[in-house]
Amino acid sequence: SAVISQKPSRDICQRGTSLTIQCQVDSQVTMMFWYRQQPGQSLTLIATANQGSEATYESGFVIDKFPISRPNLTFSTLTVSNMSPEDSSIYLCSAAPGTGPRDTEAFFGQGTRLTVV
Amino acid sequence: AQSVTQLDSHVSVSEGTPVLLRCNYSSSYSPSLFWYVQHPNKGLQLLLKYTSAATLVKGINGFEAEFKKSETSFHLTKPSAHMSDAAEYFCVVSDRRNFNKFYFGSGTKLNVKP
Repeated sequence: SAVISQKPSRDICQRGTSLTIQCQVDSQVTMMFWYRQQPGQSLTLIATANQGSEATYESGFVIDKFPISRPNLTFSTLTVSNMSPEDSSIYLCSAAPGTGPRDTEAFFGQGTRLTVV
Repeated sequence: AQSVTQLDSHVSVSEGTPVLLRCNYSSSYSPSLFWYVQHPNKGLQLLLKYTSAATLVKGINGFEAEFKKSETSFHLTKPSAHMSDAAEYFCVVSDRRNFNKFYFGSGTKLNVKP
């Protein structure tokens, strides 16, 4: 299993500013993912972060708005740029230890609750 | 493409009665399927997973789910609900061909009445 720590756990930010969320995993993992959970809704995948390469973004999400770093096998950051109230959500980091046929489970951080005012 | 449909946004049961949370999936490949639970202001917890072994999967806290390929379903059941089961439940399909990306259903809020 993997234990995932996210920082900050919550923040209130002014519109127009940016927030960087950090995700630390207690073991080396191949894939890391970032999700958004808007109020009262399910989780939506923002992007996949593989160490040593550019993040892959899902439809509707762009790098300029959500830049991601993945400097090593245990750490990733997601930045929410030029925030507006519509960005108020819970942002979750997830890690999948491997990509083989037996490596199917994903682990989730506790999330970062972001409120933009 | 992978997708999941949770047929009920809210389910309400009485304590001690059975729970059924319905999930149908769409997958162009042999899927891995999961149920996660999210208690208020808590993180996601894995209840159980199906990864092409036994079709009846037992999970934690007395939950189980049956993979039915002919019906493309993966319904979650529990024989007797407990007050502590009140939470939101997510059915999830993963795409093993695509870095194990997870695709979440819209969620089912389970309410348990005394």
